[in-house]
Amino acid sequence: DGGITQSPKYLFRKEGQNVTLSCEQNLNHDAMYWYRQDPGQGLRLIYYSQIVNDFQKGDIAEGYSVSREKKESFPLTVTSAQKNPTAFYLCASSSTAQETQYFGPGTRLLVL
Amino acid sequence: QKEVEQNSGPLSVPEGAIASLNCTYSDRGSQSFFWYRQYSGKSPELIMSIYSNGDKEDGRFTAQLNKASQYVSLLIRDSQPSDSATYLCAVDINNDMRFGAGTRLTVKP
Repeated sequence: DGGITQSPKYLFRKEGQNVTLSCEQNLNHDAMYWYRQDPGQGLRLIYYSQIVNDFQKGDIAEGYSVSREKKESFPLTVTSAQKNPTAFYLCASSSTAQETQYFGPGTRLLVL
Repeated sequence: QKEVEQNSGPLSVPEGAIASLNCTYSDRGSQSFFWYRQYSGKSPELIMSIYSNGDKEDGRFTAQLNKASQYVSLLIRDSQPSDSATYLCAVDINNDMRFGAGTRLTVKP
């Protein structure tokens, strides 16, 4: 089955801790994205990558970091600098930047 | 002005009625437009894409695009309780996909 997977489904972060959210796709898509969604709100772009070994900041990149070492993988690290990380994190991919984005199931991050 | 604007709702319609969801966007040069449905606690799923002016129909869903007015809408005919969700409009703005905040739709039995 082709698709996008995210893990874990739920993640708990302690204060001062860095945590990494996984995103993998087997759709052979070049572009991948990370969004944050707060309750009752729309999607806000954190980072995106249009090609391996390259990525750009989105609207709310502070406190987050990414890597794109493989076409299939685009992990997101929520660093201790992100003071309000509780949210629903969504990963998406598309064949090109202008084409349809397909979403993974999401990771819900909670702070202990 | 926000790049992509939607009425937040909630929009409530009775079962069997037509639900009309609206979206306006800021970039007159936008070429790609998408509607996603998001159930509570789930990720968005694509309903339709539209690229040309006019109507595009897929089952009970019709997307309408008017580039001159910078307006795209989604009509849901014969609304069902299972259509109750948040509907997100997405527009290609300067080669970046931008999402509206979504309209919450409730279909009452």
